[in-house]
Amino acid sequence: GQNIDQPTEMTATEGAIVQINCTYQTSGFNGLFWYQQHAGEAPTFLSYNVLDGLEEKGRFSSFLSRSKGYSYLLLKELQMKDSASYLCAVRDQGGSYIPTFGRGTSLIVHP
Amino acid sequence: DARVTQTPRHKVTEMGQEVTMRCQPILGHNTVFWYRQTMMQGLELLAYFRNRAPLDDSGMPKDRFSAEMPDATLATLKIQPSEPRDSAVYFCASGLVFGAIDEQFFGPGTRLTVL
Repeated sequence: GQNIDQPTEMTATEGAIVQINCTYQTSGFNGLFWYQQHAGEAPTFLSYNVLDGLEEKGRFSSFLSRSKGYSYLLLKELQMKDSASYLCAVRDQGGSYIPTFGRGTSLIVHP
Repeated sequence: DARVTQTPRHKVTEMGQEVTMRCQPILGHNTVFWYRQTMMQGLELLAYFRNRAPLDDSGMPKDRFSAEMPDATLATLKIQPSEPRDSAVYFCASGLVFGAIDEQFFGPGTRLTVL
């Protein structure tokens, strides 16, 4: 199984940059996902990392260091609509190929 | 635009009653998941199917929960009898596991309240 740790809550200002960290412990590693979930809605896929380094997608970037068991999601030019929960999910090398979700980080963006 | 659908969106019931939740996965996806989300526990995997076969339901209380996939267009999650602690949002998701990235597409969820 996996242990996944994320901060419970973060606040940031509109227009700023925020970094949401995720640390994990897993027996083998086979990919890390970030999902966004607005209040009262379903999670939606943001990014996937399986190799070390930074994956950039518009205002959002995701970084992975497999040796450190660490990932972060970087959100630039924050907008009010970015207020949401951000879920880190890690997949191990077990045969199920199914990721385990962390508890999520609730991000509040204020003016 | 393909999406996962779930019914009902909201359900309020009394303790002891049977609850059935339904999900239509995205056509062509080979894996269907059932999750439960609460403030206390976060998103928990209850069960999942691959090519309609149940692969893992270890996250599900077996005495009261059951999950089935009678055909490729329908997955069901049943609780009988329901208890107040079952109150949560239940999400169905589907995906093409062993695809390029294997992201999951979530349905809108069923918000269940058991009184």
